[in-house]
Amino acid sequence: KAGVTQTPRYLIKTRGQQVTLSCSPISGHRSVSWYQQTPGQGLQFLFEYFSETQRNKGNFPGRFSGRQFSNSRSEMNVSTLELGDSALYLCASSKPGLASTDTQYFGPGTRLTVL
Amino acid sequence: GQQVMQIPQYQHVQEGEDFTTYCNSSTTLSNIQWYKQRPGGHPVFLIQLVKSGEVKKQKRLTFQFGEAKKNSSLHITATQTTDVGTYFCAGLISSGSARQLTFGSGTQLTVLP
Repeated sequence: KAGVTQTPRYLIKTRGQQVTLSCSPISGHRSVSWYQQTPGQGLQFLFEYFSETQRNKGNFPGRFSGRQFSNSRSEMNVSTLELGDSALYLCASSKPGLASTDTQYFGPGTRLTVL
Repeated sequence: GQQVMQIPQYQHVQEGEDFTTYCNSSTTLSNIQWYKQRPGGHPVFLIQLVKSGEVKKQKRLTFQFGEAKKNSSLHITATQTTDVGTYFCAGLISSGSARQLTFGSGTQLTVLP
């Protein structure tokens, strides 16, 4: 079974621009979560999508948004980029359910650099 | 907000020494999961603990879940250079139908040969 894939793997943008990151979950996984990882802040939860609906949201400004498509693929968008948005953005899929424990299967991440 | 605290932030050990990282939550957890992230890699699931007082072993790794389901630890016996990486705990907090997985800040382990 193929793992979680993320595109692109690396991205360089300038302040004020916007960016869209893509994530394809493991086949059969309907939940997709996004995390921001920086050296100083660790793994910060952005949001989770399940069945095309945002189910949970972390404490990030409205510039960060996402969506999920009917095939469970997800995109994350950051508008008006700031220098502090430079980070590794990780996508994780899981297969929630009554007996599930929400184990996260992470993709390789997208390294975003804002200049 | 609900938090999962993890200590220490960094740990340097000599190869062959033991290593322990601890997680504490202010809220009772439905389960706790542990992940390992190698340098330059992404977090990889190691194990989950669900029951109060549960202890699980994976070769040289021992995972414990506290009786109150608010704390957990990961202990590595006789570390090897392959153990290098950052270890994260993640606590699952359930409230009604809402579920939130909260990661600790991680412990970065360096093993000196």
